[in-house]
Amino acid sequence: QKEVEQNSGPLSVPEGAIASLNCTYSDRVSQSFFWYRQYSGKSPELIMSIYSNGDKEDGRFTAQLNKASQYVSLLIRDSQPSDSATYLCAVTLRMYSGGGADGLTFGKGTHLIIQP
Amino acid sequence: EAGVAQSPRYKIIEKRQSVAFWCNPISGHATLYWYQQILGQGPKLLIQFQNNGVVDDSQLPKDRFSAERLKGVDSTLKIQPAKLEDSAVYLCASNIGPDRGKETQYFGPGTRLLVL
Repeated sequence: QKEVEQNSGPLSVPEGAIASLNCTYSDRVSQSFFWYRQYSGKSPELIMSIYSNGDKEDGRFTAQLNKASQYVSLLIRDSQPSDSATYLCAVTLRMYSGGGADGLTFGKGTHLIIQP
Repeated sequence: EAGVAQSPRYKIIEKRQSVAFWCNPISGHATLYWYQQILGQGPKLLIQFQNNGVVDDSQLPKDRFSAERLKGVDSTLKIQPAKLEDSAVYLCASNIGPDRGKETQYFGPGTRLLVL
């Protein structure tokens, strides 16, 4: 059974500081890793994807992957009140031959609050 | 480019009634997913289609849930009969295909179901 674990929070961070969100996953053969942001009452939207060990930066966001430790993190620099949302970590197991990637396995999400 | 369309946006039914949800994916997206998101949890994959074939329905409660994608484009998810615990948001997502880097799933706005 694939599992993705996140601290549900809330995580409260002052405006302008770095927010650090963490996620662990149980299936060692997981291939692809994603961070989605979900505002209250809205559907998830993709923030970052990462496939290889190390860091990947996109603007104020940095995703970090450590497959040996089965650990994924998301850093948000210069946090803004508009970053207040639930952040969902998701993984996929593999690609199917003939087409179609695995459906996503999500964690429960971390509720992030940026304090002005 | 139009996004994933879902209808209805809201539905209230009594337990033991039946309900159906409709999804139209982004044009050209071969893979379609249905997720169930219960309040306070991450989305859970119910079923995955590749064109008009089922790739994964291992978490679909088949005694009451059914889904089809007859022409490989739009899809319908049905619940019959509904239970109180089916109250959730039903999210449809699609992606273009299996290639690495093209796994991004785009979510529709969801259908909020309340079972009384």
